[in-house]
Amino acid sequence: GIQVEQSPPDLILQEGANSTLRCNFSDSVNNLQWFHQNPWGQLINLFYIPSGTKQNGRLSATTVATERYSLLYISSSQTTDSGVYFCAVGSSGGGADGLTFGKGTHLIIQP
Amino acid sequence: NAGVMQNPRHLVRRRGQEARLRCSPVKGHSHVYWYRQLPEEGLKFMVYLQKENIIDESGMPKERFSAEFPKEGPSILRIQQVVRGDSAAYFCASSLQGFESLHFGNGTRLTVT
Repeated sequence: GIQVEQSPPDLILQEGANSTLRCNFSDSVNNLQWFHQNPWGQLINLFYIPSGTKQNGRLSATTVATERYSLLYISSSQTTDSGVYFCAVGSSGGGADGLTFGKGTHLIIQP
Repeated sequence: NAGVMQNPRHLVRRRGQEARLRCSPVKGHSHVYWYRQLPEEGLKFMVYLQKENIIDESGMPKERFSAEFPKEGPSILRIQQVVRGDSAAYFCASSLQGFESLHFGNGTRLTVT
């Protein structure tokens, strides 16, 4: 099946800093989503972005499907941004409609 | 404006008992997915259902696990004769159409003692 690799695995930043999280995938995709799991375990959908660029407030994401990667940008980080960020992809090659998740980037924003 | 509702939030079962996890999707969503998350790991796909149909259960263990999404009522994930390795967080998600954004519930944390 499709492989999803996220980097870095861990990231510690001061409040106000900017960050870039990366997601590489091993096959063509027709579905890519970014999620934030907060410290209470809740999963929030940030972006549905199989290609192109989207922005939502301080967050933006870019997917370059031809080069098999996606980037999530967080600007002016706040402590509430802490948590785990997951990239999840659906393969164009068929198979399960369920998304394949990466192992996540664990982000800690310090005040 | 209810999102995906899962219950119970926490469930404790002894080895050998049955666990039933419930999921009510976002109103109007007909696609339901179940995922399992082990500590410090990402989510693993288990099963994809539409009303009264199992579309893909390739991620579901062959024994003891079953899922349904009846015409009326919530989706149910059932684990028979639970073992300690079944301890995990089980998340349900729904979508309006198969490839649209997934909306997740808050999960059910199953602990097997």
